[in-house]
Amino acid sequence: EAGVVQSPRYKIIEKKQPVAFWCNPISGHNTLYWYLQNLGQGPELLIRYENEEAVDDSQLPKDRFSAERLKGVDSTLKIQPAELGDSAVYLCASSLGGEDTQYFGPGTRLTVL
Amino acid sequence: GENVEQHPSTLSVQEGDSAVIKCTYSDSASNYFPWYKQELGKGPQLIIDIRSNVGEKKDQRIAVTLNKTAKHFSLHITETQPEDSAVYFCAASRSSSNTGKLIFGQGTTLQVKP
Repeated sequence: EAGVVQSPRYKIIEKKQPVAFWCNPISGHNTLYWYLQNLGQGPELLIRYENEEAVDDSQLPKDRFSAERLKGVDSTLKIQPAELGDSAVYLCASSLGGEDTQYFGPGTRLTVL
Repeated sequence: GENVEQHPSTLSVQEGDSAVIKCTYSDSASNYFPWYKQELGKGPQLIIDIRSNVGEKKDQRIAVTLNKTAKHFSLHITETQPEDSAVYFCAASRSSSNTGKLIFGQGTTLQVKP
């Protein structure tokens, strides 16, 4: 069974540019999470989706970050405009509805110059 | 707010020795405690988890213990091998009926010397 797929794996952009990350969860997993992982720290939740509904986006900086999961399967996380402090790894995870276990993708490492 | 503290931040052991990583949590309503292993350039991989109705769980060389009264839980790795070298994260959350929000510790870098 394929795991959580993320692309791109690496992205280097200049500050003030837009950037987007894509995630395809494990087949059948209706819950999808985006996490931010700064260097040397644990992941921090940005947003959680149940199907196509964002049920927890309290940690998402909405002035520059947006996310969507239009058909309740894959998801896109966008930053516009990017700032130097956004350099980090962006992780996507998924889980079965009603299950606690979250499975993580490999992440997208963003570098903002 | 909710917080998980993890110690030590780095741990170096000789191959074959045991390694212990400890975490404490602040939210008394937490009842799900997973442990993840993260290798360089990869996402976190679940290695074991425990729920609040269980005090201990073991899977081959890995075991986790939970003390709900003290609000702390620990990961024990026995007979360590070089391939155990990685960053380990503990996490805590309320059960799935809730937010599903995992609160992670700061991580422990484990180095197993051959």
